[in-house]
Amino acid sequence: DQQVKQNSPSLSVQEGRISILNCDYTNSMFDYFLWYKKYPAEGPTFLISISSIKDKNEDGRFTVFLNKSAKHLSLHIVPSQPGDSAVYFCAASKETSGSRLTFGEGTQLTVNP
Amino acid sequence: EPEVTQTPSHQVTQMGQEVILRCVPISNHLYFYWYRQILGQKVEFLVSFYNNEISEKSEIFDDQFSVERPDGSNFTLKIRSTKLEDSAMYFCASSRDNSYEQYFGPGTRLTVT
Repeated sequence: DQQVKQNSPSLSVQEGRISILNCDYTNSMFDYFLWYKKYPAEGPTFLISISSIKDKNEDGRFTVFLNKSAKHLSLHIVPSQPGDSAVYFCAASKETSGSRLTFGEGTQLTVNP
Repeated sequence: EPEVTQTPSHQVTQMGQEVILRCVPISNHLYFYWYRQILGQKVEFLVSFYNNEISEKSEIFDDQFSVERPDGSNFTLKIRSTKLEDSAMYFCASSRDNSYEQYFGPGTRLTVT
């Protein structure tokens, strides 16, 4: 199942710099996209989402960008903090209540002090 | 802040045994889900549940699996006769009506020996 793909298994950045995590999808039926953060031994924690009618959504240090024509989204974290070190999952769904989430493989972000 | 809770955190069982994984979704949420993550693989959707019935299930969710909302607060996943390949982290999630963000519990690690 390659409908949602995160091509970078890991990313390392310096504290205070920008972290950019990328995600690609293939299914044109997806019209809602979410980012989750996951620490070891915990469940995924919802971070930020975006509807396909928008191209940007911002919440504090987190911004998600959506390029529908390229079927690509990215999560920007600025400034990055050591506490941001976690696995970040991209997920996609239909914009319908109760729709399943389809997840990417995850990217391990490490923010170095 | 309300959270999804899951019990037990870790379950070890022998192949062929029945297991029941328990979840308490967030109280004002109406949609409930089970996902699983086999070690080293993606988080995969199993089933969604709304208004006391299954609303969607994946091809993984075969006759060995069942879900139930036995009372006003609990949501359970039963695996009738466990196989070695059922070993995984099982995550419960819930969401509000007219909302697409799903909130996850901490997971139950199921180990089948």
